[in-house]
Amino acid sequence: DGGITQSPKYLFRKEGQNVTLSCEQNLNHDAMYWYRQDPGQGLRLIYYSQIVNDFQKGDIAEGYSVSREKKESFPLTVTSAQKNPTAFYLCASSRRLAEEQFFGPGTRLTVL
Amino acid sequence: GENVEQHPSTLSVQEGDSAVIKCTYSDSASNYFPWYKQELGKRPQLIIDIRSNVGEKKDQRIAVTLNKTAKHFSLHITETQPEDSAVYFCAASMWSGGGADGLTFGKGTHLIIQP
Repeated sequence: DGGITQSPKYLFRKEGQNVTLSCEQNLNHDAMYWYRQDPGQGLRLIYYSQIVNDFQKGDIAEGYSVSREKKESFPLTVTSAQKNPTAFYLCASSRRLAEEQFFGPGTRLTVL
Repeated sequence: GENVEQHPSTLSVQEGDSAVIKCTYSDSASNYFPWYKQELGKRPQLIIDIRSNVGEKKDQRIAVTLNKTAKHFSLHITETQPEDSAVYFCAASMWSGGGADGLTFGKGTHLIIQP
């Protein structure tokens, strides 16, 4: 479980502010992902990255941005353009796409 | 894009009985179908997955079946135990030699094992 970490565990943000969620993995995985989990909605894909310096939009990318400058790191920025940002955010990684994904412990973001 | 429907949303079974969770997908190009288990307050973990070149896969008390023609796949848990209580998610993805999509998840099934 220590192979993929997210910080912070809880995050509070005022409306109109951008905030960045951290995701780090030491599993030497090429692929990384960000999901949003809302009650009764399952996990919805925000962005994913197959390799360094490359990433693709998922199903709900509007209002979010990512970067993949290092293999180990895939930070997610929740911008003020995201209409309903309060949610539980999960980061995951896999050796390659379409292989087992390992999830981080998640960050619960609350917009006040 | 892909759409995955999962049923039922809640399933209650007696300890020792079997549980079946069903999913359908919309994109006939999808060829990778994992199942994840999420216990309360914990992160999702893979319990079994299947690729489109096989119709069934088993791992002890857990099995997954795939019907590509009908575009549905199911999770079967036999001899259920209290520790099987959790939320289960199915997912679908398309993979080819040139790359793959991210996973599209179903909305989850809350499995309750009654003692």
